[in-house]
Amino acid sequence: DVKVTQSSRYLVKRTGEKVFLECVQDMDHENMFWYRQDPGLGLRLIYFSYDVKMKEKGDIPEGYSVSREKKERFSLILESASTNQTSMYLCASSSGITTNEKLFFGSGTQLSVL
Amino acid sequence: QKEVEQDPGPLSVPEGAIVSLNCTYSNSAFQYFMWYRQYSRKGPELLMYTYSSGNKEDGRFTAQVDKSSKYISLFIRDSQPSDSATYLCAMSVGNQGGKLIFGQGTELSVKP
Repeated sequence: DVKVTQSSRYLVKRTGEKVFLECVQDMDHENMFWYRQDPGLGLRLIYFSYDVKMKEKGDIPEGYSVSREKKERFSLILESASTNQTSMYLCASSSGITTNEKLFFGSGTQLSVL
Repeated sequence: QKEVEQDPGPLSVPEGAIVSLNCTYSNSAFQYFMWYRQYSRKGPELLMYTYSSGNKEDGRFTAQVDKSSKYISLFIRDSQPSDSATYLCAMSVGNQGGKLIFGQGTELSVKP
């Protein structure tokens, strides 16, 4: 069965902390994505990666960075957490550049920055 | 103006009702249209996928795309309490490996 696993379901951090959100997929997918989901705004793309060590900015990359050292793992980094980064973070993966309709999502990490 | 607009609801219907969920969009380059279903405390899962204009049916679900009006719909027939979830429309211009633009999501509740 297809699986995208996010390491934490809930996280509480303080303003200014460095935060790591981890995501692992077991489907040998090339593409991985980080979205954030906020009420009234839907899902917005932060960063994505088409291959190991590659990364592309999404629509709202400010305040975030990513790391993809292995194909199955994609990490989202908040260099200095701020309260406006309190949100639900969703990791997703897909296979191939043309099969863009089938995104597999993890269950999400609810991050609260105090 | 958002690229994709979706009424967030909430929408409450009795069991057995026909549900209509809709999205409008502004980018005429969109070619791929999807509906995702998201249960509480879960990630979204793909429900329906349509390329270009037309209808697609899968069991109790029908997806419609009208590119001339820039309008997509999802119909749920004989709605069940298990259909209670948030429904997100999503679309892309294609060949961009998952760069989807999502609507805000509509929260649906089906009452027994």
